[in-house]
Amino acid sequence: GENVEQHPSTLSVQEGDSAVIKCTYSDSASNYFPWYKQELGKGPQLIIDIRSNVGEKKDQRIAVTLNKTAKHFSLHITETQPEDSAVYFCAAVPSLSGGYNKLIFGAGTRLAVHP
Amino acid sequence: GAGVSQSPSNKVTEKGKDVELRCDPISGHTALYWYRQRLGQGLEFLIYFQGNSAPDKSGLPSDRFSAERTGESVSTLTIQRTQQEDSAVYLCASSFSYPTVGESVEAFFGQGTRLTVV
Repeated sequence: GENVEQHPSTLSVQEGDSAVIKCTYSDSASNYFPWYKQELGKGPQLIIDIRSNVGEKKDQRIAVTLNKTAKHFSLHITETQPEDSAVYFCAAVPSLSGGYNKLIFGAGTRLAVHP
Repeated sequence: GAGVSQSPSNKVTEKGKDVELRCDPISGHTALYWYRQRLGQGLEFLIYFQGNSAPDKSGLPSDRFSAERTGESVSTLTIQRTQQEDSAVYLCASSFSYPTVGESVEAFFGQGTRLTVV
């Protein structure tokens, strides 16, 4: 089955710096890769996602890149702000087109942005 | 609009008692997931329902855990003879199973049920 590894487990940056979180997956058939942000006391919320037919996707200060050959994908946050502080989870979905879209999550990255 | 609703939001129970957690998914979402999140930890997959297919129960940690889903609506997660190690936040999420073109595959999470076993 699919296995997703996420690094680093914790990340501390100064406000305005960039933050990068990396994930690797094991199942080459996986074709959908969402990123979730979890704030304290809340459920995770989707912030950006990418499908396997796309190499990069941007949404304002966040971007995700996908390298299918190496089976890894990354989240990039630029110009970080204190409100970006949260736990971020990457996930992979094996064979979305088959209709079986069970999310397999990484272990999470706790991001702290210091003013 | 209505999101995924979980109840109760908090539950304190005595060791050995049974508990039932409820999840109301977003209307029209045929896929439903349960995850467990221990304090400061990641999301541990428990069970996945997809439409009328047999559920994927591969994540249930023991036979004390079970879950049911009524059609494509409400789901209940039952933990029998609770133990202190069951203390965690239990999260439910729902999504479309067979997304059509242009339809989002986003999984929406509820706020979770915080279970404390004393």
